[in-house]
Amino acid sequence: DIQMTQSPSSLSASVGDRVTITCRTSQTISSYLNWYQHKPGKAPKLLIYGASSLQSGVPSRFSGSGSGTDFTLTISSLQPEDFATYYCQQSYSTPDTFGLGTKLEIK
Amino acid sequence: QITLKESGPTLVKPTQTLTLTCTFSGFSLSTSGVSVGWIRQPPGEALEWLALLYWDDERRYSPTLKNRLTITKDTSKNQVVLTMTNMDPVDTATYYCARKSMVTKNAFDIWGQGTMVTVSS
Repeated sequence: DIQMTQSPSSLSASVGDRVTITCRTSQTISSYLNWYQHKPGKAPKLLIYGASSLQSGVPSRFSGSGSGTDFTLTISSLQPEDFATYYCQQSYSTPDTFGLGTKLEIK
Repeated sequence: QITLKESGPTLVKPTQTLTLTCTFSGFSLSTSGVSVGWIRQPPGEALEWLALLYWDDERRYSPTLKNRLTITKDTSKNQVVLTMTNMDPVDTATYYCARKSMVTKNAFDIWGQGTMVTVSS
């Protein structure tokens, strides 16, 4: 299985801040890296697929980059509705694997 | 509009078999490049991929759970069914089904709301 190392595990930030979350994979996965936002009691929401493609309807303040084994999710200017848990996931090979999540909290 | 919805028991006893149904609409599981998967999240823990059923009827399972899982489909009803045998309290989790598409580099682009399953005697 491909192992995912996501960091940080938690992050405290303020509205308007720029934040970056990183994900590293145990082997190269080309650009088969996806990012999800998850709020309690809700379905996870796809934000970024293929490492850098913005899913339809997702605000442009979200962006993704990277290839190979190192990837980042950036939120350019945090909004109140962005406080949630974020997960990376590799879809290069089954079993798909998820990172352990980054809980983004209000400072 | 594409939707998926999970259904099944909220409480099962240890050693019992869990059967969950994912009813979907707005797409066809016969379309090349489309698959439906199951993912779970124990309370306070991360997401865990369980199983995947492809448009061509190929199936893939989590290596750690493969002996306990079966994924099937009923094309006429637009349903994907997951069975998990020998349930244990550690299997207590919210179970999600989601669509996967090659258009989005195999990401899970649409998810159901999830169904909470508690394993307890």
